[in-house]
Amino acid sequence: QSVLTQPPSVSAAPGQKVTISCSGSSSNIGNNQVSWYQQVPETAPKLLIHDNIYRPSGIPDRFSGSKSGTSAALGITGLQPGDEAYYFCLTWDTSLRARVFGGGTKLTVL
Amino acid sequence: QVQLEQSGAGLLKPSETLSLTCVVYGGSFSGYYWSWIRQPPGKGLEWIGDINGGDTDYNPSLKSRITISQDTSKNQFSLKLTSVTVADTAVYYCARGRNWYFDLWGRANMVTVSS
Repeated sequence: QSVLTQPPSVSAAPGQKVTISCSGSSSNIGNNQVSWYQQVPETAPKLLIHDNIYRPSGIPDRFSGSKSGTSAALGITGLQPGDEAYYFCLTWDTSLRARVFGGGTKLTVL
Repeated sequence: QVQLEQSGAGLLKPSETLSLTCVVYGGSFSGYYWSWIRQPPGKGLEWIGDINGGDTDYNPSLKSRITISQDTSKNQFSLKLTSVTVADTAVYYCARGRNWYFDLWGRANMVTVSS
């Protein structure tokens, strides 16, 4: 069981917006940077957001990141069928002295 | 374009040692964290450990069984995990890390532990 809590699944229609949450504590999200990854089954994860809010080159601005207190969130607007994937959050846990991933959220585009 | 190419044995028996190598093509080896991450079938991602400039950092839950090393002359780094069990069955990824994130991932190795 991960120290970072994500909803197991979210769904929305094409064109709509979805938000995926990642809840932690002061030993991880509260005091460290968060990144987000997209993983299509059978492929390697892909970086979407780093340092809470920044998109790497090539990532559309439909993807956005935010952080408040001990929680972070990934927002996706203008949903497309190709956005169907698993999404993971990642941060450092100061108490555990380990990089920790959220359990992952499956996004379904209805 | 920087690429990470992984190699290593895919089928092990319990108590054997898992050995994987990741070669960095087309880019600098210095200045990054070089990491191993795994994903058991149907489950989430688990960080195994990093090496950065020769210094290592390991997941405490695996620390007693892990060694991550590097050969900068060959632009590669390696993972050894001793005394494997069925619970170590997973897809293993190598990745390039910055302070707080992984910006480049290898294509993965499926490692199965079975008697």
